[in-house]
Amino acid sequence: EAAVTQSPRSKVAVTGGKVTLSCHQTNNHDYMYWYRQDTGHGLRLIHYSYVADSTEKGDIPDGYKASRPSQENFSLILELASLSQTAVYFCASSSGTGAYEQYFGPGTRLTVL
Amino acid sequence: GDSVTQTEGLVTLTEGLPVMLNCTYQSTYSPFLFWYVQHLNEAPKLLLKSFTDNKRPEHQGFHATLHKSSSSFHLQKSSAQLSDSALYYCALSDGSNYAQGLTFGLGTRVSVFP
Repeated sequence: EAAVTQSPRSKVAVTGGKVTLSCHQTNNHDYMYWYRQDTGHGLRLIHYSYVADSTEKGDIPDGYKASRPSQENFSLILELASLSQTAVYFCASSSGTGAYEQYFGPGTRLTVL
Repeated sequence: GDSVTQTEGLVTLTEGLPVMLNCTYQSTYSPFLFWYVQHLNEAPKLLLKSFTDNKRPEHQGFHATLHKSSSSFHLQKSSAQLSDSALYYCALSDGSNYAQGLTFGLGTRVSVFP
């Protein structure tokens, strides 16, 4: 099973501040994803990446940027954090073969005040 | 676009009784279907995935059958355990581009009581 880690595990940020969430995977997977989880909305895709130095917009990219500096690392950046971005954020990776099943990290609980 | 619809809200049941969670989907192309389980304060974990050859996937006593004719992938277990209490997500990967991420349903919370 894929080993995906996230940091920090929780964070409190102020409205208008910059927040960076980091994700690291050690299983040589090409594909990486960022989702947010909200009660009543399930898991929704924010950004994803096929390869280092390239990112793609998911279903809800507004207010978020992503960075993939290497195969192992994928960051989610909130340039101007807002109250509506309070949520739990999950990173996931996939080998890109077979059914493209994804393996998730432990999540980051972000609270914007 | 793709969409997934699950049994809504909370399902409560007594230990030892059967459980069935409904999942139907809409997708233009032939998708893969998945069930993920998330225990409290943990990451979603893959429980089952569909096969292309109509085999019925099974794991930890759970099974699901992909019915393309009805666009369904219902999750079943014959005898619920206390440890099955969790949030369950049905998800699909789009057949036109499997790599572009999963589309999830809203999730179904299952609570099993003694």
